[in-house]
Parts: sequence; structure tokens; C-alpha cells
Amino acid sequence: EDQVTQSPEALRLQEGESSSLNCSYTVSGLRGLFWYRQDPGKGPEFLFTLYSAGEEKEKERLKATLTKKESFLHITAPKPEDSATYLCAVPGPAGGTSYGKLTFGQGTILTVHP
Amino acid sequence: NAGVTQTPKFRILKIGQSMTLQCAQDMNHNYMYWYRQDPGMGLKLIYYSVGAGITDKGEVPNGYNVSRSTTEDFPLRLELAAPSQTSVYFCASTDRGDDTEAFFGQGTRLTVV
Repeated sequence: EDQVTQSPEALRLQEGESSSLNCSYTVSGLRGLFWYRQDPGKGPEFLFTLYSAGEEKEKERLKATLTKKESFLHITAPKPEDSATYLCAVPGPAGGTSYGKLTFGQGTILTVHP
Repeated sequence: NAGVTQTPKFRILKIGQSMTLQCAQDMNHNYMYWYRQDPGMGLKLIYYSVGAGITDKGEVPNGYNVSRSTTEDFPLRLELAAPSQTSVYFCASTDRGDDTEAFFGQGTRLTVV
């Protein structure tokens, strides 16, 4: 069974204090790993897609990296407006019973204090 | 473009009542999805559709039904509402499948009492 596990469940940072969020996955034949940001009362919003180990993508203070077992979302010098829930997700492997179905982790709630 | 539009935003149902959650997208996407999100649990797939007239079950389909008569619309039907269906429901669409960027609606917060 495909599994996606995120850690920590919640993270509190001071403004400017860099840190990382983790997403571990157990799916064979990875067809991509997605990061989404979700603000309270809103739907998730796409951030990044990573397709192969070693790939990195950046957007403002965020950088996502991918290995064969996990992905990290690095947050450099965060600001209060970076506070949100960050979700990772993987699509089901080709040929498997979960093909066509995106599996989400439970999310990391990030709070950045001024 | 409006993207993905969900209605209503909030709803309170009594046990045993039925309702339809509406979802419409204006991006001409073939793939559409319904998820539910419970506190601390991430998103769970209820049903999805790869095109008009084609639907399939997700991870948690019991108690729900869907139909897809047009590319734009993907309504979710709750029959005989139960307290376990209290949740936030999100509709999403993608251009080419589950390995491409998903666009989500704003969600419907449903409470069954």
C-alpha cells in the first residue's frame, strides 16, 4: 500500500529561523511528488512537482528536494506570511490498483512568529 | 477564469438528510476529484472521474455517489447523511491526470447533526 508520511505534525519558528519539513513515501515507480500549501479555510495551492531523485526546485524562500525515499521542503528565513499547512502527495504507480489516485500526507502545520 | 467553483461553502444537515455538493471547473480539464479532509488527516480521495461519463471509486467512497454528465461539472451526492460525514470537502481538477498539478476549489464545510 502506498504511504506518505509527513513530519513534524506542527512546527513553530521565529521569523528568520530556517528549517525543513519532511515527506517520506513508500511507492514503487514514483511518477512525481507534489508539494501544496493550504491556508486556513481554503483549498490547497500547488507549489512544486519533483520527478526524480536529486531534483530541486525553488520558489522565493522555499526549496524542495527529492531523494529515493523522501522529500524535504526547506524554508529559508521564513516570514509570518509563510504560516500555513504544507501537504505533500504522490500519485499511484502505473499498473497498480491506486493508479489515478493521489495519496496525500497528513500535512505539517507551520507557524512563523514575528 | 474562475478555476474550480464549489457550492455551498457551508451546510448543516440533519442525520438522514440528503444533499448534493456542486463542483464546476472552467479550465476544460478531463480529470476531476472529490476529497474529504478531516482534522490532522490530510486529504482522502472519495471519487474521481477521467472524463464525462466515467467515474471510479477512491479510498473512501461509502455513503457517496457521483455523476459526470459534462466535462465542467462533477457533483457529489450524499444520501442518508451520517455524523461520520462531517468534514470539509474539496473538489479538484487536473489537465492530464494525477501526476499533474491539481487545482482545488475553496471547499464545502459540512456538519451532520
